[in-house]
Amino acid sequence: SSELTQDPAVSVALGQTVRITCQGDSLRSYYASWYQQKPGQAPVLVIYGKNNRPSGIPDRFSGSSSGNTASLTITGAQAEHEADYYCHSRDISGNHVLFGGGTKLTVL
Amino acid sequence: QVQLQESGPGLVKPSQTLSLTCTVAGGSISSAGYYWTWIRQHPGKGLEWIGHIYYTGSTYYNPSLKSLVSISVETSKTQFSLRLSSVTAADTAVYYCARKDWGINAFDIWGQGTMVTVSS
Repeated sequence: SSELTQDPAVSVALGQTVRITCQGDSLRSYYASWYQQKPGQAPVLVIYGKNNRPSGIPDRFSGSSSGNTASLTITGAQAEHEADYYCHSRDISGNHVLFGGGTKLTVL
Repeated sequence: QVQLQESGPGLVKPSQTLSLTCTVAGGSISSAGYYWTWIRQHPGKGLEWIGHIYYTGSTYYNPSLKSLVSISVETSKTQFSLRLSSVTAADTAVYYCARKDWGINAFDIWGQGTMVTVSS
C-alpha cells in the first residue's frame, strides 16, 4: 500500500499523555516525521528520524516506531497542543512523498 | 536562517495555468541534500504533496498530478516555481513551498502558504 493511515481525531485530558499513530507499509523501510499544524498556520516539524526534535520543540514530544506503525507521543498535553498532526514518509520506491490524513487532537 | 516565501496570483480562472514562485532567503538553493517542494492543502483537508525538485533540476511529481504539473528551479535567483495547468475549482487550496532535508526525511522549513482560488 502506498498510504499512511491516521485516526481522524483523538482526544486527551489536560495533563495526560496521548499517542497519535500512523500506519503504512513504507514505515517498515523509512522513518516517519511529524508535523503540528494550528489553524491558519503552516505545519511545523516536531519529530523526525528515530526520535529527534528540531531546536525549539519541547521534550514532551517524542516519537517511536515498530513494524509498520509510527507514533507521536505528547506527554502532559496542554491546551496549546490542540492542533492537527500529520505524519509523513516516503513511499516504497523512496522517491515520492506520502502524508497521513491527519489527526485532530483535542485537549479536554 | 533559511526562510521561504510563496508569491503569485491569488485568483486564477478555470482552464488557465496556476503559477507560483517560492523565494529562498538566507541560504543557498544549490545546497546538496535538499529537495525543494510544493505541497497544497484544500480547505479543511489534509496535506497533499505536489512534487519536488533538486537544484540540479531533477524532479519528482505526485502521480495523480504528474501530467499537469511542472516544477522548475532558478538557482541564480534562489527561486523555484510551480506551474499547474488546466486548473479547476478542485485546485483551490493553500499552496506551501517547503524544504525537504533528504537526509532526515523531513520538511524542516515551510513557507507561510498562499491561498489560490480558482474561479471565473
